[in-house]
Amino acid sequence: DAGITQSPRHKVTETGTPVTLRCHQTENHRYMYWYRQDPGHGLRLIHYSYGVKDTDKGEVSDGYSVSRSKTEDFLLTLESATSSQTSVYFCAVATSGGLKADTQYFGPGTRLTVL
Amino acid sequence: AQSVTQLDSHVSVSEGTPVLLRCNYSSSYSPSLFWYVQHPNKGLQLLLKYTSAATLVKGINGFEAEFKKSETSFHLTKPSAHMSDAAEYFCVVRVNTGTASKLTFGTGTRLQVTL
Repeated sequence: DAGITQSPRHKVTETGTPVTLRCHQTENHRYMYWYRQDPGHGLRLIHYSYGVKDTDKGEVSDGYSVSRSKTEDFLLTLESATSSQTSVYFCAVATSGGLKADTQYFGPGTRLTVL
Repeated sequence: AQSVTQLDSHVSVSEGTPVLLRCNYSSSYSPSLFWYVQHPNKGLQLLLKYTSAATLVKGINGFEAEFKKSETSFHLTKPSAHMSDAAEYFCVVRVNTGTASKLTFGTGTRLQVTL
């Protein structure tokens, strides 16, 4: 399982509240990713990190921010949750990226419901 | 832009019969292609990957896929389905950028296995 944990695993929140999801890895992977999974869309990339304090946007980054202050943790924050952000969120890790990219391995997911 | 199209959203087979899950890709470059499997309420598990080596790729649990450049296809097959194969399967293409690699997912094929 590439040593990936996500917390919380399930969360129900109300529209307008801030939410932070955590991805923790134990195997010192340099690259970390956040995806969301919605029916009919597969998984879509929200943000990714290519090192401590180095992050960039994915294809569906609006309404989300991320932070990575240490190698093992990658946080995804919804500053003001909306119902359209109800989804299952997956974290992924990889040892290498760019032109020598390695396989991405996925965490167990967090199911978020915004009422 | 690189993309993948999974031609069937749902496939149903009988236990012991062959499995064929179809995937076509679009890529400007020689692509890296993957199949991931997701069992109900679980994370994603890598089945197999193609990264420009042998065109016939063998994966876990008896699955294999053949990269056919002339047909821009990467279909997933298994000679004999097992009940435990019931899951959702995602065909994925990888884009290598300057800072990280990004995965583009197909919309998924749900495999049902009946007795």
